[in-house]
Amino acid sequence: AQSVTQLGSHVSVSEGALVLLRCNYSSSVPPYLFWYVQYPNQGLQLLLKYTSAATLVKGINGFEAEFKKSETSFHLTKPSAHMSDAAEYFCAVSVVNAGGTSYGKLTFGQGTILTVHP
Amino acid sequence: DARVTQTPRDKVTEMGQEVTMRCQPILGHNTVFWYRQTMMQGLELLAYFRNRAPLDDSGMPKDRFSAEMPDATLATLKIQPSEPRDSAVYFCASGRGLAGYGEQFFGPGTRLTVL
Repeated sequence: AQSVTQLGSHVSVSEGALVLLRCNYSSSVPPYLFWYVQYPNQGLQLLLKYTSAATLVKGINGFEAEFKKSETSFHLTKPSAHMSDAAEYFCAVSVVNAGGTSYGKLTFGQGTILTVHP
Repeated sequence: DARVTQTPRDKVTEMGQEVTMRCQPILGHNTVFWYRQTMMQGLELLAYFRNRAPLDDSGMPKDRFSAEMPDATLATLKIQPSEPRDSAVYFCASGRGLAGYGEQFFGPGTRLTVL
């Protein structure tokens, strides 16, 4: 079974500082990994996804994530935080079978709330 | 721009009343998910469908919750009778199922308050 763990339920940064949100995964097969963002009073929005094509994945709003198999990690980064980045971020892994076919179901992490200070 | 739509966006009701939430998945998506989000429990999967057939509803309280897909363009989640502990935001999401990598697209949610 696939699972993800997000390290840190709250992260606080200053505007202009580096954003680093941590996610580690567990999977016996090559995983498909996702980051979602949830702004207040909205649904989850897909930020980026890793589907094995490239280990460095670029998403919307200047975010990117790097898949590191040796560390079983898929951390989300942004070089310079903006006030509008304040939101909750969820890491997720796709539930797949031994052949790598997705069942279309995701397992989500517990979420990390990002606060950006002026 | 294809989106998942949910109605109503907000619902306030009294304990014991029936609540029905509706979701229109993105056209062409064949998997539909219902989630519940609360501060205490976070995001919980209640049920999901593929090609309109229920695959897993183990996350739902069976005695009061029911989920259906009358057709490919409509999914419903019903609570009868509602209780104050059902107060939460309910999200619907859709995806391409076996044809994709598992990514899901979420609707804006229904905020339910049971008094």
